[in-house]
Amino acid sequence: QKEVEQNSGPLSVPEGAIASLNCTYSDRGSQSFFWYRQYSGKSPELIMSIYSNGDKEDGRFTAQLNKASQYVSLLIRDSQPSDSATYLCAVNRVGSSNTGKLIFGQGTTLQVKP
Amino acid sequence: EAQVTQNPRYLITVTGKKLTVTCSQNMNHEYMSWYRQDPGLGLRQIYYSMNVEVTDKGDVPEGYKVSRKEKRNFPLILESPSPNQTSLYFCASSFGRSRDTQYFGPGTRLTVL
Repeated sequence: QKEVEQNSGPLSVPEGAIASLNCTYSDRGSQSFFWYRQYSGKSPELIMSIYSNGDKEDGRFTAQLNKASQYVSLLIRDSQPSDSATYLCAVNRVGSSNTGKLIFGQGTTLQVKP
Repeated sequence: EAQVTQNPRYLITVTGKKLTVTCSQNMNHEYMSWYRQDPGLGLRQIYYSMNVEVTDKGDVPEGYKVSRKEKRNFPLILESPSPNQTSLYFCASSFGRSRDTQYFGPGTRLTVL
């Protein structure tokens, strides 16, 4: 079982729709969760971070965390063609001396069609 | 401007020819890390450094070396590159705590023939 799993997609949504991206993780003790956006050939860029159960909203983006189910999601409202990218879920591993290390999922490719 | 820089951005080399990819950050971050990104495998950590003169292996350290003589710089060294090291490499930095945002450099696309 991979430590962080995402559906690779592509996830295709029409412009203006809600895109829902999902991620599960295996380490029950994980405490920090991040969503990065990566355009093709570019570096990952942080969109959202979440640390507590529940929802966290920032503009058109909402991150949702459910630690009991080991599940984190990202909702993008009013999707725009410029949102077309690969979205990486990352989790901080706990219980190790490597406190800054992120474990990444393989990413979900999102396509927003005009 | 706060940033992580990498050089070179693109490199084509041949098997066995030593190379160094430089990484520098201007945010006074303690933690620096190198990742490689491969299709189907995602981002995997190669080496990391918690501070000056403190480095340790990540998940895929074989064939790589690093050094951290100054806080801002964290070069990645391939002493004898092989074709399986063809990849997209990212340097990243943060303050090193689990909640800290990790900032990525622009990436270095390396091809080893």
